[in-house]
Formats: sequence, C-alpha cells, structure tokens
Amino acid sequence: EIVLTQSPGTLSLSPGERATLSCRASQSVSSSYLAWYQQKPGQAPRLLIYGASSRATGIPDRFSGSGSGTDFTLTISRLEPEDFAVYYCQQYGSSPKITFGQGTRLEIK
Amino acid sequence: EVQLVESGGGLVQPGGSLKLSCAASGFTFSGSAMHWVRQASGKGLEWVGRIRSKANSYATAYAASVKGRFTISRDDSKNTAYLQMNSLKTEDTAVYYCTRLVRYYDILTGYYYNWFDPWGQGTLVTVSS
Repeated sequence: EIVLTQSPGTLSLSPGERATLSCRASQSVSSSYLAWYQQKPGQAPRLLIYGASSRATGIPDRFSGSGSGTDFTLTISRLEPEDFAVYYCQQYGSSPKITFGQGTRLEIK
Repeated sequence: EVQLVESGGGLVQPGGSLKLSCAASGFTFSGSAMHWVRQASGKGLEWVGRIRSKANSYATAYAASVKGRFTISRDDSKNTAYLQMNSLKTEDTAVYYCTRLVRYYDILTGYYYNWFDPWGQGTLVTVSS
C-alpha cells in the first residue's frame, strides 16, 4: 500500500500570503493518478486538482499543483478567506490501494 | 447538475447492520464506477470500497478493514448505489460519502486520469450501545 504523508500538519498563514502544501508518497505514484481535495467543516471534499497539475472545473487559478514520482505540491498563490480549510492528496492505485494523505489544515494566522 | 445524495445513516448497536443508499443524478450512472469513502470525526478520509459498471462485470473491491463485513451493490435502473454494512463495530462510526470515479483518457498524452467527483453530502453512521 502506498502511504501518502502530507506536511505540514497545520499551516498558519494570513490572507494574501502564499501557501505551499506537500504530499510525499512512500513509492512512486503516477502523476495522472494524483489528486487534491479541499474540505471545509461540515462539508464533503471538493476536487481541486487532478493529474497532479490540472485544475478542476471552476477552481480559481490561484490554485496550482505540481510534482512527480514521490513528491507533489499544492500551491495557493494568494490566500483568500475562503481558502482556509483542510486539504487532502489522494492517489489511485489498483483497488483496493486507493489512499489519502492525512490532511493539512490551513488556518488563519 | 451532477449530484449524489446519501441516505440511510443512523444509530446502530455493535454487531448490527445498516444499509446506506447513494442516489445519483445528472450523469450516466450506469457507466460509472462508484466508491464509498468514510471519515471518522476529526479524522482523515478512508477509502471503503467500490463497484464498477456492468461493462466491468460489477466488480467490487474493499478495504481490508471492512472486507467480509461490507457489501457494495448497485441498481442502475434506479441510479442508486448501496453499502450494506454488517457486523458493525464501534470503529465503523463515521460519516460515509459516496463518490463517482471519473476516468478520462487523454489522447494527446496517452495517459488515463482518475479522480473522484462529485461527492455526496455524507451520511452519519454511529455504532454504539
């Protein structure tokens, strides 16, 4: 099973700042199978990025994804108040090997 | 609008059973693989299992933590997926989400892309005596 480790666990930043979230895999992951989701309290996860770097429909361009192999990054260029949430990376291996990272909580400083 | 709506959650005693439903609309349900993901309170996301389409023989797969206790099925005539949960344990307490697997083939790159979208709003299952 591929383990995804996200860092930091919590990131405290102010609106307008740049956020960099990391997702490291225990073994190589196909970029086309790496996605990022945003989850706000009491809500379901929402797709942000698929294929490691492609934004989902309706996602603002301040969100970007990059990386390959075992290291992937989600960057939010200028934080808006609505961006403070929990972010998960996820890899789609052969079922039943679909795994999520433990999440990064992005909180207002 | 592409939408998933779960129902059927509630309070059940350890060792009991519960069946969740996931009603789909706004997309071709019969051609989609459907997955279940759960989230214990204050915790992260855990993949539970999936069922593929008729074209893929309705194949199912499960996480080790629920294998042998949970069963996923579907009724394409009702655009609905189900999660039958038996022999429930206190550690099964969680919000259960259903989600569609989107599988896209990019002819330019030659790669398949997979992601989960949309997600239902979730239904809470509490296993407690």
